[in-house]
Amino acid sequence: QVQLQESGPGLVRPSQTLSLTCTVSGGSISSGTYYWSWIRQPAGKGLEWIGRIYSSGSTNYNPSLKSRVTISVDTSKNQFSLKLSSVTAADTAVYSCARGSSSWGAFDIWGQGTMLTVSS
Amino acid sequence: SYELTQPPSVSVSPGQTASIPCSGDKLGDKYACWYQRKPGQSPVVVIYQDTKRPSGIPERFSGSNSGNTATLTISGTQAMDEADYYCQAWDSSTAVFGGGTKLTVL
Repeated sequence: QVQLQESGPGLVRPSQTLSLTCTVSGGSISSGTYYWSWIRQPAGKGLEWIGRIYSSGSTNYNPSLKSRVTISVDTSKNQFSLKLSSVTAADTAVYSCARGSSSWGAFDIWGQGTMLTVSS
Repeated sequence: SYELTQPPSVSVSPGQTASIPCSGDKLGDKYACWYQRKPGQSPVVVIYQDTKRPSGIPERFSGSNSGNTATLTISGTQAMDEADYYCQAWDSSTAVFGGGTKLTVL
């Protein structure tokens, strides 16, 4: 079955750019009517959608983060990535990648999540 | 920006029915889905397109959506249902989550 696994640095300095990668296994990132998203959850708070990308490269971003976010896809590696620029302590959170189903309108498969801390 | 509002907490006795509301402007005109998240685990979708259950989700989970409110209902609540529940909908190609509701079974 399809599995998602996030990878990243764990710690980023303030004002720098956060970079995370999600590796998709057990299926092709190009197959089916799916999109691929990043979602984060600060400690003690709710889920926040960051954005999504289709295998074609088409993207949608959360308007509140749009000026700082770039999501890209590498179909040859079966991966998609997140870059978030000018990070502050407010960006400290567990970052998860997830597969979205166009037919469901829901995120049906999630990665386990990776903790990212912004600190000097 | 579009917002979804959930109560921070709901309590229910074992075997009773739990109802978790999610409110948003004209939410009934959109599809709502619900996620269950237990500590240390990834979220699991329990309801999509307002009322549909993915395979493997128990029949005691059901959903409705009308007017400004979507509701997740858990009939015959079990201790294993204690978790955080999040509603989610799409607004102009943007996914929006509710703030989450902690369901306590006591």
